Amino acid sequence: QKEVEQDPGPLSVPEGAIVSLNCTYSNSAFQYFMWYRQYSRKGPELLMYTYSSGNKEDGRFTAQVDKSSKYISLFIRDSQPSDSATYLCAMRANTGNQFYFGTGTSLTVIP
Amino acid sequence: DGGITQSPKYLFRKEGQNVTLSCEQNLNHDAMYWYRQDPGQGLRLIYYSQIVNDFQKGDIAEGYSVSREKKESFPLTVTSAQKNPTAFYLCASSLESPTNYGYTFGSGTRLTVV
Repeated sequence: QKEVEQDPGPLSVPEGAIVSLNCTYSNSAFQYFMWYRQYSRKGPELLMYTYSSGNKEDGRFTAQVDKSSKYISLFIRDSQPSDSATYLCAMRANTGNQFYFGTGTSLTVIP
Repeated sequence: DGGITQSPKYLFRKEGQNVTLSCEQNLNHDAMYWYRQDPGQGLRLIYYSQIVNDFQKGDIAEGYSVSREKKESFPLTVTSAQKNPTAFYLCASSLESPTNYGYTFGSGTRLTVV
């Protein structure tokens, strides 16, 4: 079983829609959770970072962590064509050096 | 502007050749990492370095080698022992390791075996 599972999509939505992206994980020791956005042929860039459980909001983006279900989500409100990219989740434990990445979900926002 | 520079952007390797991918950062970060990205597999850690002159193997280090002689530089050599080297290679850095604030990534090098 992979440490982190992420539906690769592709996901296609109309402009203005609310997008929900999700990851599940198996290691209950994971405490640090991040979401990266990766445009085609580019390196990932950090979007959101959360520690332990709870919600975090930044503009149109909201990250949620449910440790009891081992499930994290990224919500994008009022989606824009510029949000079209691959979204990667990543997480690590308190004691580990390494982040474990999901495979990424490809999102297309149609004008 | 501070950041990570990877070169070249595209690289072609013949069978049996060693090739070296460059990674330079001017962020004054202590830790640097090399990841490999393949479709459907996500990012897999090859090597990482927490400090100059020290580095550790990641999950898929076989067929790769690195050096960390300067804080700013962390080159990756893909040797002929790596049987399936065609992939997108990403270099990253962080202020410290382990990091609570994520990585800064370079723009990647796409390596193709011809």
